[in-house]
Amino acid sequence: DGGITQSPKYLFRKEGQNVTLSCEQNLNHDAMYWYRQDPGQGLRLIYYSQIVNDFQKGDIAEGYSVSREKKESFPLTVTSAQKNPTAFYLCASSIAGTSTDTQYFGPGTRLTVL
Amino acid sequence: SQQGEEDPQALSIQEGENATMNCSYKTSINNLQWYRQNSGRGLVHLILIRSNEREKHSGRLRVTLDTSKKSSSLLITASRAADTASYFCADGALWGNEKLTFGTGTRLTIIP
Repeated sequence: DGGITQSPKYLFRKEGQNVTLSCEQNLNHDAMYWYRQDPGQGLRLIYYSQIVNDFQKGDIAEGYSVSREKKESFPLTVTSAQKNPTAFYLCASSIAGTSTDTQYFGPGTRLTVL
Repeated sequence: SQQGEEDPQALSIQEGENATMNCSYKTSINNLQWYRQNSGRGLVHLILIRSNEREKHSGRLRVTLDTSKKSSSLLITASRAADTASYFCADGALWGNEKLTFGTGTRLTIIP
């Protein structure tokens, strides 16, 4: 899983609660990404950031928020506005944020809404 | 954005046989990458092929790209039990090139 850590590995949330997923990288990469993966499905991009203090919405940003205050950290908050948050969440990073970069993934966080 | 599709969705073969997975995409691309995911884990990059390349090799992996058909294939030769995983293609669009679009994946099972 390279130099990317995600915590926690498993997370349980009650309906109506916000929850924050942690993603940290020590690869000195400029770009970081959050993906959502549903069972038997591919990855869908939630948010990405190519530089500190800047981030862009991906394909399914509604109900999620992010921040990028430090180069090595890109936390994802799943808000109560996300209607179906139960999923596997993957964080990734790449050197410069271009599509030719290799993306390095963390081990993932499995979120379950009770 | 539209996702690519892998074919087949699932594949089971005997150890030692070759495994071929196909990927289709919809946009004009800059490059196409293949990733592997073991169950419940993050993805690991396998290989990248650029739009001006037709074939690329890495160890037991062979990737082809046909931009006229908007398709790519991944061949794993002499499969091993440890190759059991899901395999995803991801295309980097020619325009708006900061993102990858991942396909739906092929679940490969190698039977010992």
